[in-house]
Amino acid sequence: QKEVEQDPGPLSVPEGAIVSLNCTYSNSAFQYFMWYRQYSRKGPELLMYTYSSGNKEDGRFTAQVDKSSKYISLFIRDSQPSDSATYLCAMRDSGGSNYKLTFGKGTLLTVNP
Amino acid sequence: GAGVSQTPSNKVTEKGKYVELRCDPISGHTALYWYRQSLGQGPEFLIYFQGTGAADDSGLPNDRFFAVRPEGSVSTLKIQRTERGDSAVYLCASSDDLGRGNTEAFFGQGTRLTVV
Repeated sequence: QKEVEQDPGPLSVPEGAIVSLNCTYSNSAFQYFMWYRQYSRKGPELLMYTYSSGNKEDGRFTAQVDKSSKYISLFIRDSQPSDSATYLCAMRDSGGSNYKLTFGKGTLLTVNP
Repeated sequence: GAGVSQTPSNKVTEKGKYVELRCDPISGHTALYWYRQSLGQGPEFLIYFQGTGAADDSGLPNDRFFAVRPEGSVSTLKIQRTERGDSAVYLCASSDDLGRGNTEAFFGQGTRLTVV
């Protein structure tokens, strides 16, 4: 079992839909949780950053972390065609290796106009 | 520069050849990371530099892989005797890692390596 599991999709939704992306993980030492967006042939770009459990909202994006269930989510409201990309969850612990991110496989999202 | 710059953007090489991949981090960033992203997978950690020294090279797959950062800025990832399984996108990232817990790593666009 990989440390971070993420359904690779692909996921196809109509414009304006609410999108839900999820990851599960097995390492209870993970404390920092991130969502990256990666357009085709580009590097990952940080979208959301959350420490420990809870919710964080930024515009149309909401990140949720449930450490008791080892489950994180990213919600995208009013999805736009420009949101079409691969979404990667990533996480790390708070110890000495706080630089080392563990990524999920990524979920390919297409938002259709 | 404005962001992390990686060169070349694409590299095709023959099996058994030696390749060098270059990363120019964001100016002033002390921390630099190399990741490898295979097709359909998330990035996997290779090595981390804090300044000039490799603080953690535990992700390097074998001794054919080596990386340097001699002046604490530009880094070069070197792969000897390339194999077809080395084909992947090699991503570099940098951050102003000052020991805070929430430093953001900025990624470059990657070098797409194809070994034929």
